Amino acid sequence: KAGVTQTPRYLIKTRGQQVTLSCSPISGHRSVSWYQQTPGQGLQFLFEYFSETQRNKGNFPGRFSGRQFSNSRSEMNVSTLELGDSALYLCASSTGQDFYEQYFGPGTRLTVT
Amino acid sequence: AQSVTQPDIHITVSEGASLELRCNYSYGATPYLFWYVQSPGQGLQLLLKYFSGDTLVQGIKGFEAEFKRSQSSFNLRKPSVHWSDAAEYFCAVDLGGYNKLIFGAGTRLAVHP
Repeated sequence: KAGVTQTPRYLIKTRGQQVTLSCSPISGHRSVSWYQQTPGQGLQFLFEYFSETQRNKGNFPGRFSGRQFSNSRSEMNVSTLELGDSALYLCASSTGQDFYEQYFGPGTRLTVT
Repeated sequence: AQSVTQPDIHITVSEGASLELRCNYSYGATPYLFWYVQSPGQGLQLLLKYFSGDTLVQGIKGFEAEFKRSQSSFNLRKPSVHWSDAAEYFCAVDLGGYNKLIFGAGTRLAVHP
């Protein structure tokens, strides 16, 4: 069974631009969560989608948004990029039910210059 | 506020020595507890989890962890460390809310030959 895939793996953007990251979950998984990892703040929860609905959201500004499609693939968008948005963005998928385990993708490394 | 504490930022052990990584959480009820490992440039891999039942749980790669309710701890152990275990280890809790993991700051493990 294929694991969680994230595209692209690396991105370089300029301040003020926007970016869209993609995550394809493990087949059969209906939940996708997104996390931001930075040296200063560590791993922080962004949001979680289950069956195309956002079920939970972390403490991030509205510039961070996401969506999930009917095939469970998810995208995360960051608008008006700031230098502080430079991070590794990880997505994780799970069945979303009962004693769910989250399986992480390799991440997208975003650098904002 | 709910939190996860990993008191040791860096730990160095010799190959073949035993290992214990500490994790304490702050939460009124017993959360779901996890240990993840992250190799450089990689995503997170689940080592083991605790939901309920037996407080000593076995994971992959020879790791185990013990949940101690009285100490709000979930320490990770391995009897004999291999050089390939060098990585960063994260303790995480899920408070039962929609795959929202709260992570500790991580412990970076170095293994000397």
